[in-house]
Amino acid sequence: QQQVKQSPQSLIVQKGGISIINCAYENTAFDYFPWYQQFPGKGPALLIAIRPDVSEKKEGRFTISFNKSAKQFSLHIMDSQPGDSATYFCAPSGTGNQFYFGTGTSLTVIP
Amino acid sequence: DAGVIQSPRHEVTEMGQEVTLRCKPISGHDYLFWYRQTMMRGLELLIYFNNNVPIDDSGMPEDRFSAKMPNASFSTLKIQPSEPRDSAVYFCASSPGANVLTFGAGSRLTVL
Repeated sequence: QQQVKQSPQSLIVQKGGISIINCAYENTAFDYFPWYQQFPGKGPALLIAIRPDVSEKKEGRFTISFNKSAKQFSLHIMDSQPGDSATYFCAPSGTGNQFYFGTGTSLTVIP
Repeated sequence: DAGVIQSPRHEVTEMGQEVTLRCKPISGHDYLFWYRQTMMRGLELLIYFNNNVPIDDSGMPEDRFSAKMPNASFSTLKIQPSEPRDSAVYFCASSPGANVLTFGAGSRLTVL
């Protein structure tokens, strides 16, 4: 199920800093690019998503940047807060309904 | 809506026993997914259903695993016989259109 490759595996950021997580995919049929957030003891939950007709989408402190030619998209968390400490997954999907998740990035925001 | 409901939340069993995990999807969602999460392998898609029909079960690890969806409001994942390497958190998720997945809280399985 190595349809997507996510990096880094773990990330430690100071409070107020910028967290950046990357996702590379292979399938050019993907047309939906979400990031999920998972807290310990909970299931993943949709955080933010983008369609390929735009290159960037911002929701509050969270931004997705999409590079179709490079087959990559990234999650940027501005002004990172301790409450953002969680595991983040990319899970691109599209025609053929592929629902494979990236390997996850464990983010720790230090107060 | 109460969201995706999974039971049991925790299950401890002995090797060789049968395990049945249950899931109630969100009403109106026509896709249902079963995932397994471990530290070593991350989130693995086991099987998914569309309108109660299994579409892709290529992620089911062995014949010991089986999943059913007898109606739109209920699905089961069964492991028989269970083995210690099956220990993991099993998640059920549902979706209205195969894009946004809503996950349940998970069932933590420990096989001794």
